[in-house]
Amino acid sequence: DAGVIQSPRHEVTEMGQEVTLRCKPISGHNSLFWYRQTMMRGLELLIYFNNNVPIDDSGMPEDRFSAKMPNASFSTLKIQPSEPRDSAVYFCASTSGTGVNQPQHFGDGTRLSIL
Amino acid sequence: GENVEQHPSTLSVQEGDSAVIKCTYSDSASNYFPWYKQELGKRPQLIIDIRSNVGEKKDQRIAVTLNKTAKHFSLHITETQPEDSAVYFCAALNQAGTALIFGKGTTLSVSS
Repeated sequence: DAGVIQSPRHEVTEMGQEVTLRCKPISGHNSLFWYRQTMMRGLELLIYFNNNVPIDDSGMPEDRFSAKMPNASFSTLKIQPSEPRDSAVYFCASTSGTGVNQPQHFGDGTRLSIL
Repeated sequence: GENVEQHPSTLSVQEGDSAVIKCTYSDSASNYFPWYKQELGKRPQLIIDIRSNVGEKKDQRIAVTLNKTAKHFSLHITETQPEDSAVYFCAALNQAGTALIFGKGTTLSVSS
């Protein structure tokens, strides 16, 4: 079991640039979550997919953020255009089953810095 | 919306002592309460969880208690060790059952 795999681990880019974060969930898991972690706001859910379908995207901060899950083994989180306040650690997590009330397995995160 | 309050924000104990972290939640319909441990620069990892049909769950040195009437739950770590030093997050399921709402975290420091 390779765990949840995220890439890149670190991303530094200038404001205005497009940023794409990637996630491969654990094989067989059918729920996927994107989180953002900052010192000020803690760990916040951005979006939740079940069977590749977005179930709850109420945490997506604004239209600059978008997420897709084209298949069961891949998801992307895109920020366009990026802003310095988007700097954070972005985690992807996956779980088996259909509910959020299952143990979530987190990836190692992407540390994003927008200059 | 659902809100989860976690206390204390920092906790320092001596090796061998017990540590207790407390969380309160606002939505009485919440029925799932996990605890995650996050070491510096690492991913959050589930250490224990409890569902609303039980009042206590134990796993070696770690235990969680749940009081649904008072809407609070606590993490208890006994015989603390330096490797227990980390940030601990509690969470509760929101009313819609679509998201975990996390507390702000407790930084636990265990000194030897």
